[in-house]
Amino acid sequence: QKEVEQDPGPLSVPEGAIVSLNCTYSNSAFQYFMWYRQYSRKGPELLMYTYSSGNKEDGRFTAQVDKSSKYISLFIRDSQPSDSATYLCAMSYAGNNRKLIWGLGTSLAVNP
Amino acid sequence: SQTIHQWPATLVQPVGSPLSLECTVEGTSNPNLYWYRQAAGRGLQLLFYSVGIGQISSEVPQNLSASRPQDRQFILSSKKLLLSDSGFYLCAWSRDSSYEQYFGPGTRLTVT
Repeated sequence: QKEVEQDPGPLSVPEGAIVSLNCTYSNSAFQYFMWYRQYSRKGPELLMYTYSSGNKEDGRFTAQVDKSSKYISLFIRDSQPSDSATYLCAMSYAGNNRKLIWGLGTSLAVNP
Repeated sequence: SQTIHQWPATLVQPVGSPLSLECTVEGTSNPNLYWYRQAAGRGLQLLFYSVGIGQISSEVPQNLSASRPQDRQFILSSKKLLLSDSGFYLCAWSRDSSYEQYFGPGTRLTVT
């Protein structure tokens, strides 16, 4: 079993839809959780960073961490065609030399 | 603000030829630096990371090497490329005190 599991998709939604992206993990020591967006042939861009459990909101994006279920989510409200990209989750724990463990990414297409 | 540069953007090299990819970071001091390779369907694979000048940790045994001759310069090298070295190479940095990593634009390497 991989430490971080992420459904690769592709996920296709109409413009304006609410998108839910998820990752599950097996290591209960993970405390630091991140979501990255990667456009085709570009480097990943940090979208959201969350420490431990709870929610964090930034504009149309909301990140949730449920440590009891070992499950993290990224919600995108009012999705736009410009949100079409691959979304990667990443996580780490104290004492891991700040190395990140990555999901494989979910490909999202928002159709106008 | 901080900026990370990578070059070249695209490279086509024959099998057995040498390789040198360069990454530089501006606007910060003493960053942690990372080299990743991203292959289709395999996610981000950490190759090397560095916490300071001359300090390199290797994650994956292979024919690649890394060096950090200056605080904000990170170089990925190979003496003889293999076909399996093809991929998208990404450099990233993080502050010494945090887990968030910030990526460069990447180098797409094709070994023929």
